[in-house]
Amino acid sequence: GQQVMQIPQYQHVQEGEDFTTYCNSSTTLSNIQWYKQRPGGHPVFLIQLVKSGEVKKQKRLTFQFGEAKKNSSLHITATQTTDVGTYFCAGKDVSNYKIIFGKGTRLHILP
Amino acid sequence: EAGVAQSPRYKIIEKRQSVAFWCNPISGHATLYWYQQILGQGPKLLIQFQNNGVVDDSQLPKDRFSAERLKGVDSTLKIQPAKLEDSAVYLCASSFLAGTTFGEQYFGPGTRLTVT
Repeated sequence: GQQVMQIPQYQHVQEGEDFTTYCNSSTTLSNIQWYKQRPGGHPVFLIQLVKSGEVKKQKRLTFQFGEAKKNSSLHITATQTTDVGTYFCAGKDVSNYKIIFGKGTRLHILP
Repeated sequence: EAGVAQSPRYKIIEKRQSVAFWCNPISGHATLYWYQQILGQGPKLLIQFQNNGVVDDSQLPKDRFSAERLKGVDSTLKIQPAKLEDSAVYLCASSFLAGTTFGEQYFGPGTRLTVT
């Protein structure tokens, strides 16, 4: 069945270091979304990517959608303590239009 | 604008009991989603409504879970009878867009269910 894998599962970084999480789908996605969930909170929308090879930036965050529309990445430059949380990708399978979330990458910042 | 409202925020029940959750989406959002999020995992889509019609309920355990959105606005999700493995946070989300892509989803605060 359709799977969306996210790596790494956990990441500890020193404040100021960069961070990257990767999202890989077994099937082609129509679009991909990224969400952030703070501890004890609910997912909050960050961005949506639709086009093959698309790159979008939000301040220190850079999002990329692969050429084959099967993978995506989120890169944070110079992490801050406010970046703590779990980052999820979510995609829609073009063959059956089912929405699936990855298991998330939990980011912990060391001061 | 007001966000997605959910109630109750917490619920503790014994196995084999029934429970219902309520969700009121953002005004004007045609699409409503119910997700189950088990601790340490990503949200799993249970059911998606567009207006009052079901778009996808392929992962809804229909022998015990049911959901409705009668007037195309608020929605209820019911579990009867509950099992221990149903312990999770149940998230409701809504979005303006629908169709072949899916729009930005706004999530409610969730209902944390504990089945003992």
